Amino acid sequence: DAKTTQPPSMDCAEGRAANLPCNHSTISGNEYVYWYRQIHSQGPQYIIHGLKNNETNEMASLIITEDRKSSTLILPHATLRDTAVYYCIVRVATGNQFYFGTGTSLTVIP
Amino acid sequence: DTEVTQTPKHLVMGMTNKKSLKCEQHMGHRAMYWYKQKAKKPPELMFVYSYEKLSINESVPSRFSPECPNSSLLNLHLHALQPEDSALYLCASSRGDRESGYTFGSGTRLTVV
Repeated sequence: DAKTTQPPSMDCAEGRAANLPCNHSTISGNEYVYWYRQIHSQGPQYIIHGLKNNETNEMASLIITEDRKSSTLILPHATLRDTAVYYCIVRVATGNQFYFGTGTSLTVIP
Repeated sequence: DTEVTQTPKHLVMGMTNKKSLKCEQHMGHRAMYWYKQKAKKPPELMFVYSYEKLSINESVPSRFSPECPNSSLLNLHLHALQPEDSALYLCASSRGDRESGYTFGSGTRLTVV
C-alpha cells in the first residue's frame, strides 16, 4: 500500500543542504505528506508534515509542488548526525494507517 | 510525557516459548500500532488499535496476538514463533485524527532461536 517513491540512497557534504525528493503521484486531495527518519534501527523520528503549503520547522523544510504529486525535504545544513534513512509517507485518508515506502538512505560526508 | 515506552528492549525466545512485548504511552493518544521491521527493510504495519478496539489486522499470523487492555497500554503476545519472525518490533501511537503524526517507541529487538 506504499504510495511513495524515493531514491534508495543519497550523499551530502557536511554543512550543505540535503534535498530529498519524494514522488507521490497518486495522492488524494486530503492526504497529508509526512517525513520521518530512522537512525540506526532506533524508532522512526518525526520530522515534518504538510498538506498543500510549504512548511518549515526547526529541523527541516518541506516543499510540496502545486499539483501535490511530489515533495522535497530540505535539511538546510546537514550534519553527520543527519545520516539516517528518510521515509516519505502519505497518510491514508480513510484510516489511521502509515504505510512506509522503501525510504532514502542519506549519508552525510565529512 | 511525550514518549512511547517499549519493553523489553531485547528478547531472545525459543520456538516453543510464550512471551509478550509491552508498549505504553501517556500522551492521551487513542490509536496505537504494531510494526515489524526486518533488517534493511522499512517497517511493516501489523495491527492498528483505535479507541482500544482492533481496527486493522494486516493478515498477521495467529502466532502474534495483540491486546489493548486500556488506552495507554498495548501488548503483543507471542507464541510458537519461527526464526524468520526475528525482527525489530515497533510500537507507535497517535491522536487518531487525520493530521496527527505517529510517535514511535525505540522498539524491541526479538530473536527467535
